[in-house]
Amino acid sequence: GAGVSQSPSNKVTEKGKDVELRCDPISGHTALYWYRQSLGQGLEFLIYFQGNSAPDKSGLPSDRFSAERTGGSVSTLTIQRTQQEDSAVYLCASSLVTGRGSGANVLTFGAGSRLTVL
Amino acid sequence: AQSVTQLGSHVSVSEGALVLLRCNYSSSVPPYLFWYVQYPNQGLQLLLKYTSAATLVKGINGFEAEFKKSETSFHLTKPSAHMSDAAEYFCAVSLYSSASKIIFGSGTRLSIRP
Repeated sequence: GAGVSQSPSNKVTEKGKDVELRCDPISGHTALYWYRQSLGQGLEFLIYFQGNSAPDKSGLPSDRFSAERTGGSVSTLTIQRTQQEDSAVYLCASSLVTGRGSGANVLTFGAGSRLTVL
Repeated sequence: AQSVTQLGSHVSVSEGALVLLRCNYSSSVPPYLFWYVQYPNQGLQLLLKYTSAATLVKGINGFEAEFKKSETSFHLTKPSAHMSDAAEYFCAVSLYSSASKIIFGSGTRLSIRP
């Protein structure tokens, strides 16, 4: 597609429910990132996928959070047993090139999925 | 591991005044450095990036940033602020020695006074 697509754009859920957030990156982009944006907290790194390498999960805040990327394209971020503190905007970004090179690591962001946990 | 610190969560300047947004980084190897901007109700977009080609980097909308290794800084400046510059600005760092995650700072909200 022309840009990074995220769905749903808004999700309201009850505490304790599971949610899935989807990201469809730009075709051909090998790197995919998930970030969480909370009020006053900036962009918190969650997880990073690069090609066929094992993902960098160092930013996932708890074992309730998981993500997968199927076929090197679409990614799903899953939050189990949601808590009120999970309320935030979840941003996905993709990049064509990482590492060295003039185009390296330039991220294209999606519009985000706003999650509200009641 | 890399990290960035943005000094000042909120900066307010008068229209026409100098804009200075501060960013300091920590990295064990030479970094890539970025500034992204998020205008109200819009997604993040790249403002400029440093990739070791030149220490003074020019970006969109008249912004520029200077990489100072001795100070581990990458401050963002604009000589004359416009009302349209009101936005949230994020500094980010990644390592160029290998494919690496990109870490963002906590952001600085820029307000412009008429």
